[in-house]
Parts: sequence; C-alpha cells; structure tokens
Amino acid sequence: GENVEQHPSTLSVQEGDSAVIKCTYSDSASNYFPWYKQELGKGPQLIIDIRSNVGEKKDQRIAVTLNKTAKHFSLHITETQPEDSAVYFCAASRDTDKLIFGTGTRLQVFP
Amino acid sequence: KAGVTQTPRYLIKTRGQQVTLSCSPISGHRSVSWYQQTPGQGLQFLFEYFSETQRNKGNFPGRFSGRQFSNSRSEMNVSTLELGDSALYLCASSFWDRGDYGYTFGSGTRLTVV
Repeated sequence: GENVEQHPSTLSVQEGDSAVIKCTYSDSASNYFPWYKQELGKGPQLIIDIRSNVGEKKDQRIAVTLNKTAKHFSLHITETQPEDSAVYFCAASRDTDKLIFGTGTRLQVFP
Repeated sequence: KAGVTQTPRYLIKTRGQQVTLSCSPISGHRSVSWYQQTPGQGLQFLFEYFSETQRNKGNFPGRFSGRQFSNSRSEMNVSTLELGDSALYLCASSFWDRGDYGYTFGSGTRLTVV
C-alpha cells in the first residue's frame, strides 16, 4: 500500500546550524508533498509544500527538494532557532486524494 | 480570516459510549477531512467530505462515521468507544482553485476513553 518513510525520528542541532529531514514515498503517482510543523497542543501547521512539476522551493530559511526518480523529498532548515523546535511531518498525496503522512521528526534546537 | 475550528478541545468518555466531534472549516472551503493521531500509528486518514458527500474513506471500522452539512461544517461520530480510540482527532479544511490546493488543520479534539 501507500507508504511514506521519514528519517530521522529525532534530530538535535545547535542554534544556527542547519537541519535536514528526509522522506521517501512509495506511490509513484504522488504529486503533492507538504511539510507540517506541529507544536505541543496544536494541530499540524503547513510550513511549505512542493508539487511534482518543481524540483525545489524555498521560503526564507526553509527549503524543500524533490527527486521524483528516487521518490525522495527533503526539508532543509537553515540558521535554526529555538522556536524551530517541534515535530515535523512530511506527507504525500495524489492530486486532492488523502494525505499519507510520515512518522514525524522531533527537532530540538539548543541555544 | 478565521481558521479551522474544532470542538470540543478535550473529551473524556467511558468505554461503550459514543461521541460526536465537530469541525467548522475555513469560510469558502468545501472539503473537510478527518485524521486520527496516536503515538503508535501516527497520523491516519479517516474520511473526507465534499459538498455533503463522502469522497474517500480510510481503513477504520464502521464505528467511525461522519457527515457534512450544507454550510460545510462536519461532524464525526464514534460509537461503542474502545480504549484504543483514545487519540487526537484532527480536522483539515481544504480548497481547490484552478489546480492549486492545500490543507489547513485545526487544533484537534483530544479524546480519552477510560
């Protein structure tokens, strides 16, 4: 069945360093890849998304890259700050079909 | 612009009871999806409603059901509650506009079954 694998499950970085989270999807028909940030007691918040007709997208300190051939996509956060600490989820979907989520990455940014 | 509103935020129910959760999507969004979030299984899709019709359904037992009203508000119901139904239930409001689409989640309803 459809599956999204996410690594690592936990990630600790020093403030100012970069953080990279990687996901692999199984459904080759997937064409929408959002990333969500979830803070304690809150629902997932969309931070960036990419569609299959684009290889890379950037928004300030956040970027996402997509390799359709390898079915990989990654989240890159540069110049990390303590407020970036949260759980991050990747997801994949085929058009407007349901989102298939990865298992999450707990990011801790130490001052 | 108001976000996705889920009520109640917290619920404690006893095994065997039933529960109804509510979701009001962003104004203008016609689709509502429901997800269950647990530490063991992560985020799993329950079902999606669009224009009062169920468009898609996940792999959950028939005890889980939902509906959508003409104003796009949605409810989900869980009957004969089991301890394993304890979870954060998330509602996502979504739009489609000329090939562009996206999902916005509410803060969820934390259900505890005792």
